[in-house]
Amino acid sequence: RKEVEQDPGPFNVPEGATVAFNCTYSNSASQSFFWYRQDCRKEPKLLMSVYSSGNEDGRFTAQLNRASQYISLLIRDSKLSDSATYLCVVKQAGTALIFGKGTTLSVSS
Amino acid sequence: ETGVTQSPTHLIKTRGQQVTLRCSSQSGHNTVSWYQQALGQGPQFIFQYYREEENGRGNFPPRFSGLQFPNYSSELNVNALELDDSALYLCASSLDGYEKLFFGSGTQLSVL
Repeated sequence: RKEVEQDPGPFNVPEGATVAFNCTYSNSASQSFFWYRQDCRKEPKLLMSVYSSGNEDGRFTAQLNRASQYISLLIRDSKLSDSATYLCVVKQAGTALIFGKGTTLSVSS
Repeated sequence: ETGVTQSPTHLIKTRGQQVTLRCSSQSGHNTVSWYQQALGQGPQFIFQYYREEENGRGNFPPRFSGLQFPNYSSELNVNALELDDSALYLCASSLDGYEKLFFGSGTQLSVL
């Protein structure tokens, strides 16, 4: 079983749509959780950290369910510029980031 | 811009050759991590260098090796290249460990 699993998509949505990505992780010792965004074959960039209480950054909302080992990202009012691959990332204490394969989002006008 | 620079941006090698990739970390950062990203996959951790010492390694064979210099820049060396080594190689710098990584734009390596 992979440490971090994501639905690869692609998700094709119109502008203005709401879209949700899910991610599961296998190691219950994971302590830190992130969503990264990666544009086509460029470097990953931190989108947001994910906290146990859930957190929001503008149109983006991240949720964490430790009991189910499940992380989600919700994007509201999708923009063309949101088209990218979204990487779910987990980390245990003192270890490297572990990336999922990513979920591809394509927003069309 | 993250302040992390990698060179070269693209590279073509043939199977069996050796390659060296370079990374300059962001000013003030003492830690460099290297990741391999194959097409359609997420980045996979290769190793990390902290103050010139290897400080953690992923599931990569010994033909993947590295160095960190006193100015905290770093090299990734791959010997006896295989076709499956074709990937985007990402360098990330940080201060004191694995948190808050700043990625460079990567080196695209093609092995023919």
